[in-house]
Amino acid sequence: AQSVAQPEDQVNVAEGNPLTVKCTYSVSGNPYLFWYVQYPNRGLQFLLKYITGDNLVKGSYGFEAEFNKSQTSFHLKKPSALVSDSALYFCAVRDMSGGGADGLTFGKGTHLIIQP
Amino acid sequence: NAGVTQTPKFRILKIGQSMTLQCTQDMNHNYMYWYRQDPGMGLKLIYYSVGAGITDKGEVPNGYNVSRSTTEDFPLRLELAAPSQTSVYFCASSYSGLPGVTQYFGPGTRLLVL
Repeated sequence: AQSVAQPEDQVNVAEGNPLTVKCTYSVSGNPYLFWYVQYPNRGLQFLLKYITGDNLVKGSYGFEAEFNKSQTSFHLKKPSALVSDSALYFCAVRDMSGGGADGLTFGKGTHLIIQP
Repeated sequence: NAGVTQTPKFRILKIGQSMTLQCTQDMNHNYMYWYRQDPGMGLKLIYYSVGAGITDKGEVPNGYNVSRSTTEDFPLRLELAAPSQTSVYFCASSYSGLPGVTQYFGPGTRLLVL
């Protein structure tokens, strides 16, 4: 079975500083990893994904994520945080071990708070 | 494109009542999904569909039913509402079931069962 862990319930960062939101995963096959962002009272918006290839993936709004197979991690990063980045961030994974078109497995989410 | 739309945005139900959560997508996606999001938890898959007329259970299907008569619509039915079904429900769609394909989410329906 696949699983995702987001070890931090909340991350606080000062505006302009770099940010990291951590994610580790467990799958039996090759991982397909996603980051989504949820603003208050809104649906989930896709940020970026890792399928294969370059370990550094670039996505929307200046976010990027680094895939590390040996550490089974897929941390979300941004070089310079904005107050508008404050939101709830979800890491999710899929693999093909289930064999079917089932859904994503999500972590619990991390609240990112950017302080002015 | 409107993407994935859901109605209603918010609903209060009494225990034992029934209701249908509506989901429509205009992206001609074959695959559609229903998730629920509980406080402090990630989303959990309730049901999914790989095309019109084909549905299957996800991780937490008990207490729910679905149907898929068209490509665009994927309604979720609660027959006998229970307090444990208080949650935020998200519908999603994707053009393929391959694991690297992005799922696109609707704005959600917040349901309160009292």
